[in-house]
Amino acid sequence: NAGVMQNPRHLVRRRGQEARLRCSPVKGHSHVYWYRQLPEEGLKFMVYLQKENIIDESGMPKERFSAEFPKEGPSILRIQQVVRGDSAAYFCASSRDRGRSTDTQYFGPGTRLTVL
Amino acid sequence: QQQVKQSPQSLIVQKGGISIINCAYENTAFDYFPWYQQFPGKGPALLIAIRPDVSEKKEGRFTISFNKSAKQFSLHIMDSQPGDSATYFCAASSTDKLIFGTGTRLQVFP
Repeated sequence: NAGVMQNPRHLVRRRGQEARLRCSPVKGHSHVYWYRQLPEEGLKFMVYLQKENIIDESGMPKERFSAEFPKEGPSILRIQQVVRGDSAAYFCASSRDRGRSTDTQYFGPGTRLTVL
Repeated sequence: QQQVKQSPQSLIVQKGGISIINCAYENTAFDYFPWYQQFPGKGPALLIAIRPDVSEKKEGRFTISFNKSAKQFSLHIMDSQPGDSATYFCAASSTDKLIFGTGTRLQVFP
């Protein structure tokens, strides 16, 4: 069974460029979560998506950040016009069932974004 | 109210010793408390989790103790091994998102 897959594992961008991070959930999981981990900090929730729907985006910055989870294909976290403060590890997690706190979230290996 | 406070920030334990990591929360709506283990360069992996209707849960060398009235919970690692060296995160949830503590870096020396 393949776990959560994320790519790329490492991404380097210059200030002002766009970053696109991809996440393929565990097979059979239709719920995807994105978290951001700044150096030496815990993970911070960003957004929760189901297929074609954003359920909770309370942790997403208001500007430059967007996320989608199309009917076909991986979930995408998109960061436009990146700034140095966007440098972090971005983790995707998936779960099988909807929105219940006890549903285990399985995490991917993360994408480490470096903004020069 | 959405915070989960975790301590200590780092912990050094000798092989065979007991590692204890503590967390505290404010939001009484939280009803699920998982612990995640993260190795460098990897994603967090679920270690053990507890619901507030029990005071203790044990899985192998790992035990969660839960004190609902004090709104605190802790992870105990018995017979700590060098392979346990990692960063440990407590978390809490009431709906869809996990609220993580700031992490404890555990080093177990042989």
